[in-house]
Amino acid sequence: DIQMTQSPSTLSASVGDRVTITCRASQSISSWLAWYQQKPGKAPKLLIYKASNLESGVPSRFSGSGSGTEFTLTISTLQPEDFATYYCQHYNSYSCTFGQGTKLEIK
Amino acid sequence: QVQLHESGPGLVKPSQTLSLTCTVSGGSINSGSYYWSWIRQPAGKGLEWIGRIYTSGSTNYNPSLKSRVTISGDTSKNQFSLKLSSVTAADTAVYYCAGGQVVLAGIDALDIWGQGTMVTVSS
Repeated sequence: DIQMTQSPSTLSASVGDRVTITCRASQSISSWLAWYQQKPGKAPKLLIYKASNLESGVPSRFSGSGSGTEFTLTISTLQPEDFATYYCQHYNSYSCTFGQGTKLEIK
Repeated sequence: QVQLHESGPGLVKPSQTLSLTCTVSGGSINSGSYYWSWIRQPAGKGLEWIGRIYTSGSTNYNPSLKSRVTISGDTSKNQFSLKLSSVTAADTAVYYCAGGQVVLAGIDALDIWGQGTMVTVSS
């Protein structure tokens, strides 16, 4: 099974900061990676699909990059509403694995 | 706009079978353009994929849960369901249903989610 490892587990930042979250796969997954944002008590929301494609309606300050085994989610200028937990997810036609999550906290 | 809504008992006794239903509105479960999934999240923890079903009826399951999970579809009711047998307290979680698009190269990410339903396993 493919394992997905996110880092850091917790990230403290301030409004206006640029932040990057990393997700590593235990083996190559090409570009079959998504990023989700989850706020307390809410369902996850898709931000990025196929590693670097911005989901419709998601602000352009969010971007994704990478392929193979290493991927990043970058928020260019943090807004107050961006403080949440972020998950990466590997998906293909046979399986699916989520990373353990990164909690983005206000510094 | 397709929407999903989970329903089912909020309390299940240990060793029994957890049964949940996801009702799809605003679209057809049988359209072929979407696949349908179940994901769960214990309180304060991360997301765990349970499995998925395609329009064809074929399914994929998380290997760690495969022996206890069945996902099925009911096109007449535009619903898909989850059954998880022999539950224990470790199965206590918020359960989400979700959908993602079927694309030429396979599938894409989960872009539609239900609001989630809390299921507690306790006697």
